[in-house]
Amino acid sequence: KAGVTQTPRYLIKTRGQQVTLSCSPISGHRSVSWYQQTPGQGLQFLFEYFSETQRNKGNFPGRFSGRQFSNSRSEMNVSTLELGDSALYLCASSLAGQVTRELFFGEGSRLTVL
Amino acid sequence: SQQGEEDPQALSIQEGENATMNCSYKTSINNLQWYRQNSGRGLVHLILIRSNEREKHSGRLRVTLDTSKKSSSLLITASRAADTASYFCATAVGAQKLVFGQGTRLTINP
Repeated sequence: KAGVTQTPRYLIKTRGQQVTLSCSPISGHRSVSWYQQTPGQGLQFLFEYFSETQRNKGNFPGRFSGRQFSNSRSEMNVSTLELGDSALYLCASSLAGQVTRELFFGEGSRLTVL
Repeated sequence: SQQGEEDPQALSIQEGENATMNCSYKTSINNLQWYRQNSGRGLVHLILIRSNEREKHSGRLRVTLDTSKKSSSLLITASRAADTASYFCATAVGAQKLVFGQGTRLTINP
């Protein structure tokens, strides 16, 4: 069974631009969570989607948004990029409805904002 | 602030020795999980312990949970070079999200 796939793995943007990251969960997993990881703040929860609905959201500004499609694939978007948005963005999937069970993570998308 | 706090922040031991990492948390939990992350990679789930369990084993891993002290420990026995990684505890807060600690960076020296 294929794991969680995130694309792109690496990207470089400049301040003010926007970026879209993609995540394909494990087949059969309907919950997708997104995390931001930085050396200073550690792993911060962004949001979680289940059946195309955002069920929970972390404490991030509105520039961070996401969505989930009917096939459970998810995207997150960051608009008007700031230097502080440089981070490893991790996507994780879990079985239906049980986001507090085991999470399966992708390898992440490393975003550098110049 | 983070729900979980790992201690120590960094640990360096010789191959073959045991490694112990601790995690403290602040609020009631449904379960507590431990994850491993190799440098710059995704996290890998190691073990989940429910709030009504006190100890759990998986191979060379042993996890304990003390809900009265709001703490957990992860013991890795007979460490190997491949165990070099960062280890995170994560607490299930309510039903909708996992909150991760800052992690312990473990280095196994040959």
